[in-house]
Amino acid sequence: QQQVKQSPQSLIVQKGGISIINCAYENTAFDYFPWYQQFPGKGPALLIAIRPDVSEKKEGRFTISFNKSAKQFSLHIMDSQPGDSATYFCQGGNTGNQFYFGTGTSLTVIP
Amino acid sequence: DAGITQSPRHKVTETGTPVTLRCHQTENHRYMYWYRQDPGHGLRLIHYSYGVKDTDKGEVSDGYSVSRSKTEDFLLTLESATSSQTSVYFCAMGTGDEKLFFGSGTQLSVL
Repeated sequence: QQQVKQSPQSLIVQKGGISIINCAYENTAFDYFPWYQQFPGKGPALLIAIRPDVSEKKEGRFTISFNKSAKQFSLHIMDSQPGDSATYFCQGGNTGNQFYFGTGTSLTVIP
Repeated sequence: DAGITQSPRHKVTETGTPVTLRCHQTENHRYMYWYRQDPGHGLRLIHYSYGVKDTDKGEVSDGYSVSRSKTEDFLLTLESATSSQTSVYFCAMGTGDEKLFFGSGTQLSVL
């Protein structure tokens, strides 16, 4: 059973556009929701993370929006660039316990 | 990838043979993890460790065992490799505040 459901599986965006990736979870014990970015041949790297006590977190062009009541969170990439082309994974977990990844979204930004 | 290395980077083996993958970290982090990455499944936790000789099962632990005799080393063993274990394996280390740092992965092919 997938603990964290991620969509879409793939996404193509024009340079300068907004990329949006969505995730949903069921386990209300989760208290940490990061996004990881992975380039081909590399391991995932932490991009940005949020805790459920806030509804939004922004770091540069990357924003996480969090809806606790709906048990959903999303990653928004503003002014998408070709260098953002990568696979993105959301994750849910709780402190000191296992963390569960979504299935990943392959983002392609077209110049 | 800084501070965490995996070996080998690529391995081809035959069904039924034992295989050991190695993960080495230089950051003295308490937590270490083994994940496998497969298309359509994202990253799935195999085993994790919360200290020397302290390990626990993840969501896909069948057919795998781990050992951690030193803080810096975490070994993943496939007792008798099967074709379904063909995958990319990632080791990760944790700081204790939920952030994960991943190695560059091991591509394992079981023929």
